[in-house]
Amino acid sequence: AQSVAQPEDQVNVAEGNPLTVKCTYSVSGNPYLFWYVQYPNRGLQFLLKYITGDNLVKGSYGFEAEFNKSQTSFHLKKPSALVSDSALYFCAVRDLNSGGYQKVTFGIGTKLQVIP
Amino acid sequence: DVKVTQSSRYLVKRTGEKVFLECVQDMDHENMFWYRQDPGLGLRLIYFSYDVKMKEKGDIPEGYSVSREKKERFSLILESASTNQTSMYLCASSFRTGSNQPQHFGDGTRLSIL
Repeated sequence: AQSVAQPEDQVNVAEGNPLTVKCTYSVSGNPYLFWYVQYPNRGLQFLLKYITGDNLVKGSYGFEAEFNKSQTSFHLKKPSALVSDSALYFCAVRDLNSGGYQKVTFGIGTKLQVIP
Repeated sequence: DVKVTQSSRYLVKRTGEKVFLECVQDMDHENMFWYRQDPGLGLRLIYFSYDVKMKEKGDIPEGYSVSREKKERFSLILESASTNQTSMYLCASSFRTGSNQPQHFGDGTRLSIL
């Protein structure tokens, strides 16, 4: 079975400060990992993914994420937060070793609030 | 850019009605998905389809059915709507099973059952 946890319901950060949104996962094999962002009254938009290779993955809008296999984490980061980054962020995982349809499991989401 | 279009942004229906939610994608994706999104529960998969006329149950299929007669269109059907089906419904599509491609989402349908 695969699962993903986003331990914080909400993260508050001041504009210009670095931000981190946490994600941990559990899979039996190797993971594909994704981050998505959802703005109010919109669907989810893909930000970045980890498949293999470099542990630091760069994505859209200046976001990056660090894959840590020993800690089974995939935290989303940005060096300098913008007010426009305020949104709901979802981490998702897929287990490469699962048979049949390779289902994606989403976390419950973390609300990011960037304070001017 | 991939476009996933859901036919309605907001929908209000009555208990017991049969409700149809429509989704169309324009990128020739093999996979299509229906999720519902509820606060504190995240996204839960209702049904998905990996090909025309093919469907698989997700985590919460009870009370729902789906139809995929054409590759670009995936419909979610609430057979007899109930108030606990009030939710945000999201459609998504992606390239075939086994690829590492992300899912592309529509803007959602906020459904209220009175």
